[in-house]
Amino acid sequence: KQEVTQIPAALSVPEGENLVLNCSFTDSAIYNLQWFRQDPGKGLTSLLLIQSSQREQTSGRLNASLDKSSGRSTLYIAASQPGDSATYLCAVEGATNKLIFGTGTLLAVQP
Amino acid sequence: EAGVAQSPRYKIIEKRQSVAFWCNPISGHATLYWYQQILGQGPKLLIQFQNNGVVDDSQLPKDRFSAERLKGVDSTLKIQPAKLEDSAVYLCASSLWGDEQFFGPGTRLTVL
Repeated sequence: KQEVTQIPAALSVPEGENLVLNCSFTDSAIYNLQWFRQDPGKGLTSLLLIQSSQREQTSGRLNASLDKSSGRSTLYIAASQPGDSATYLCAVEGATNKLIFGTGTLLAVQP
Repeated sequence: EAGVAQSPRYKIIEKRQSVAFWCNPISGHATLYWYQQILGQGPKLLIQFQNNGVVDDSQLPKDRFSAERLKGVDSTLKIQPAKLEDSAVYLCASSLWGDEQFFGPGTRLTVL
């Protein structure tokens, strides 16, 4: 059974810092891994999707990496801004086309 | 392009009452998902539809939860009777054909 873990559960950083969020999964047989952002009271916004054959994806100040063999992914946020404050969720998709989510990292960027 | 629509956005009910949520997916999306997100946890898939048919409902508590997707477009999720532990955000998502999922804003349910 696939399990997804995210560390840390919460993170507070001053504006301008670079930061890394971690995601690990127990079953390496995945089709893809996705990072989402969730603002309070809102739905999920997809940030980056990495196919199983890819090693990383970049979008603006965000960079996500994937190491299938070790069951790990990282989301790197450069030059953090207060507007980046949100909960970040990673999810893996396996053969059943079902997304299995982690519990999220609550990020607070202090101005 | 309009996103996934959900209503109501908030609902407060007493335990043992019934409640229904509505979802309108992105136009043309064949796959529709309902997720339950309990506070402090990641979303958990309840049911997945492909057009009218159910693909996966293995985690749907069928003694109290039901869902339908008539005509392969809109969907409703019902809880009857509700329990305290059903308090959660219910998220609807859709995808073109089982690929990238797009999420609605969710319905926050509080059961008292």
